This record gives sequence, structure tokens and C-alpha cells, in this order.
Amino acid sequence: DAKTTQPTSMDCAEGRAANLPCNHSTISGNEYVYWYRQIHSQGPQYIIHGLKNNETNEMASLIITEDRKSSTLILPHATLRDTAVYYCIATGGATNKLIFGTGTLLAVQP
Amino acid sequence: GAVVSQHPSRVICKSGTSVKIECRSLDFQATTMFWYRQFPKQSLMLMATSNEGSKATYEQGVEKDKFLINHASLTLSTLTVTSAHPEDSSFYICSAPNPTGSRDEQYFGPGTRLTVT
Repeated sequence: DAKTTQPTSMDCAEGRAANLPCNHSTISGNEYVYWYRQIHSQGPQYIIHGLKNNETNEMASLIITEDRKSSTLILPHATLRDTAVYYCIATGGATNKLIFGTGTLLAVQP
Repeated sequence: GAVVSQHPSRVICKSGTSVKIECRSLDFQATTMFWYRQFPKQSLMLMATSNEGSKATYEQGVEKDKFLINHASLTLSTLTVTSAHPEDSSFYICSAPNPTGSRDEQYFGPGTRLTVT
């Protein structure tokens, strides 16, 4: 799996959009970008994934640069419940093992 | 959506004893499950890949004789921490992919907090 780099922490005001960046400059052509989050003392939760195209679901949007070397996860209207560690992972697919980096601790402020 | 459960959620055991942690996929079959360990304020570390009907694959540095994994059915994998020591105290999490689901994702259990005294 390609290595990913994320900022250690970020703050966001409640109700504002949270934009979480991730660098994956060594990603290979068949690797997807997956985002998971972990709320304190719980198991991680899937958010979204993509290969080349931008993706959107009920939780978030994923913007992948054209060269696929970086991506941004967007939570459009952050709430206090979105406070968590967000992990960006490059992997061949859901059946592949996931190698977690250090992630970004997003703190949503009231 | 698909659910993965773990049992127990918390366990305290004495040093030198063994502890078994169960991971179940509740509404789908999982030929593969993954086991992770997470120390306080650290990220998840993959320990091993559990394969139904065959031996588990352990990550480098993980002692297979200490962390016994059994994947005896398509819905159950167990992790046994043998001869537990205080340094084995950690948060153990399992996951299972569901490639036939509506989304190509892994489902994670809620975790088991092990404290060895």
C-alpha cells in the first residue's frame, strides 16, 4: 500500500465545512483512496473511497487531484459529532489489508 | 448495514492467563477478517489476517504463538492472547470486508479493551 501523509490535527467551527488533506504521491494506478474515521474508543467507520473521479455520498465528498497524488475529504457542515481521527489510506480494495497512518485529529469547535 | 460484533467489549485478566476475543460478522459471510491492536493515543496496527479454513497470516513482528487466531466458520474469527502480560494491555479491533455489499468497504467491530494486571 502507498504511504499517505496527513496533518496531525485540525480545528473546524461547527456548521462550517471541514477540508482534510492527504498526500499519497506514491499511489499506484490500481490503488483506491479510502477514508475512515475513528471516534474515541470505537472501531473505525468507513466514510468514502475513490479511484480517479470525485465522489460524494451522504457523509462527505472526496476530491482527488488529476495526478492522484493528493486528495481532500470534505465534510460540508461539520457537527460536534464529527470530532474524530480521520484516516486516509491508499489500498487495492476493501478485501486488502488496511495500513493505518497517524491520521488527522479533527476537532469541531462549538 | 453490515455489522461486525466483538465479545467481550472489556476484559481484565491476570498476568499469565489467556484471553479469547471473538469477532463475528452478523449478516454477511467473511472469508477474511483482520485483527488490529491500538495502544493509547496511537494508530491502529495490523496484527494479522484471518482466513477461513486456513492459517492466519501474521504481520512482521507479531508472535503467532502468542496471538492465536482461529477462523473456524464464515462468520467467526477468534483471537486468543496467550500468557498475557501487562504490555499486552491494549484495544483490540477486528474488521471484515464485505465485497458483495453495496459499498466496497471494511466493517469494523467496536473493539475489545484488554487490561492485564
